[in-house]
Amino acid sequence: KAGVTQTPRYLIKTRGQQVTLSCSPISGHRSVSWYQQTPGQGLQFLFEYFSETQRNKGNFPGRFSGRQFSNSRSEMNVSTLELGDSALYLCASSLGPYRSSGTYQETQYFGPGTRLLVL
Amino acid sequence: QQPVQSPQAVILREGEDAVINCSSSKALYSVHWYRQKHGEAPVFLMILLKGGEQKGHEKISASFNEKKQQSSLYLTASQLSYSGTYFCGTEWDGANNLFFGTGTRLTVIP
Repeated sequence: KAGVTQTPRYLIKTRGQQVTLSCSPISGHRSVSWYQQTPGQGLQFLFEYFSETQRNKGNFPGRFSGRQFSNSRSEMNVSTLELGDSALYLCASSLGPYRSSGTYQETQYFGPGTRLLVL
Repeated sequence: QQPVQSPQAVILREGEDAVINCSSSKALYSVHWYRQKHGEAPVFLMILLKGGEQKGHEKISASFNEKKQQSSLYLTASQLSYSGTYFCGTEWDGANNLFFGTGTRLTVIP
């Protein structure tokens, strides 16, 4: 079974540009979560999508947006890039909603990440 | 908002045990544990929900103390493969956000 794939793996952009990152979840998984990881801020949660709906969102400005398609693939978009957006962007997939309530718990699988450098 | 992890770093010899703590200043709904090796993506270990039981994963287990708003990750009889940085992520009661600790770097030596 193929794992989570992310494209591109590496990206260099300049300030002010926009970027779109893609994440293909494991076949059958319907939840995709996005994270940003930087040496300074560490790991931060961006958002989670399940069945094409955004379920949860972290504390990021509106420049960060995402969407999920009917095949569960997800894209993340960052507009008007800033130097501080340089980071490793990780996506992770799970069968059901990752942070569901009750006793239902999901295992989350991470992709290799997209390393974005903003110059 | 960010949970506090302790210790920041620990060095173990193979076979030794370790405990990593994750504390929050707010009432927790869930705690998530991950391990990340250098240059690799994180690997999910487990989630503990408020009111849930202690969970286990091979020789790695965790507990959730609601009174202290703290979770502890227990690594027993450590193996070289346990080396990496362990992160906890916390979700508060009533919130839909996940905050991560700064990580605990665990090094297991022969």
